[in-house]
Amino acid sequence: DAKTTQPPSMDCAEGRAANLPCNHSTISGNEYVYWYRQIHSQGPQYIIHGLKNNETNEMASLIITEDRKSSTLILPHATLRDTAVYYCIVRVAKIQGAQKLVFGQGTRLTINP
Amino acid sequence: KAGVTQTPRYLIKTRGQQVTLSCSPISGHRSVSWYQQTPGQGLQFLFEYFSETQRNKGNFPGRFSGRQFSNSRSEMNVSTLELGDSALYLCASSSREGQGYLSADTQYFGPGTRLTVL
Repeated sequence: DAKTTQPPSMDCAEGRAANLPCNHSTISGNEYVYWYRQIHSQGPQYIIHGLKNNETNEMASLIITEDRKSSTLILPHATLRDTAVYYCIVRVAKIQGAQKLVFGQGTRLTINP
Repeated sequence: KAGVTQTPRYLIKTRGQQVTLSCSPISGHRSVSWYQQTPGQGLQFLFEYFSETQRNKGNFPGRFSGRQFSNSRSEMNVSTLELGDSALYLCASSSREGQGYLSADTQYFGPGTRLTVL
C-alpha cells in the first residue's frame, strides 16, 4: 500500500482557504487519492477523490501534482464546522474489487474564529 | 437518500461476553466493510463482505467475525470480549456504480457503534 504523510495539525482562520497537504511519493499509476474527514468521533465523511486531474465538488478542491507524488485538499472558505481530522488515503489497488482503506493519523485541522 | 445505519449506537459489555453489531448499507450497495477505531491504533480495517462472501480480511484475531445477508445487511460479532476491544466500530458501504451524488467505488461510512468493555 502506498503510504501517505500529512502534518499532524494545522490552523486556519474562519473564512479563509484551508490548504491541507499530503505526500504520497510511492503511489502507483492505478491508485486514487481519497480524502475523508472525521468530526469528533463521528463516522468518516467522504470529501473527494482523484487520479491525475484536479477535481472540485461542492465541498472542496483536490489538486494533484503532475508527478502524482503529492496533493493538496483545499477548503475554499473554511467555517468552524470544518474543524475535524482530515485523512488523505491512497486507495489500495483493486484486487478482485476488494475494498480496503488504510488510514494514517491524518491532519487535525482547527478553524479559529 | 438514507445513509449507512448502524445499531446499536452505544453498547456496554463486560469481559468475556460476546457482542453483535449490525450495519445496514446504503440501498443498492452490495459491499460492506468494517473498521475498528481506537485512540492507540487509529482506524483499522477488519473485513469486507460482498454478496454474502468475505472478500478481504484485516489482521484481527478469530474472535472477530462477520457475515452478510442476502439483502446486503451485515453483522459483526466479537466473542470473548477483552478490555482492548473497547472502540468505535465503523461500517462502510460501497457500490461499483455511482448513484446520483454518490461516487462509484467509494466507501461511505455510518455513524459507528461505540463499544465499551468493562
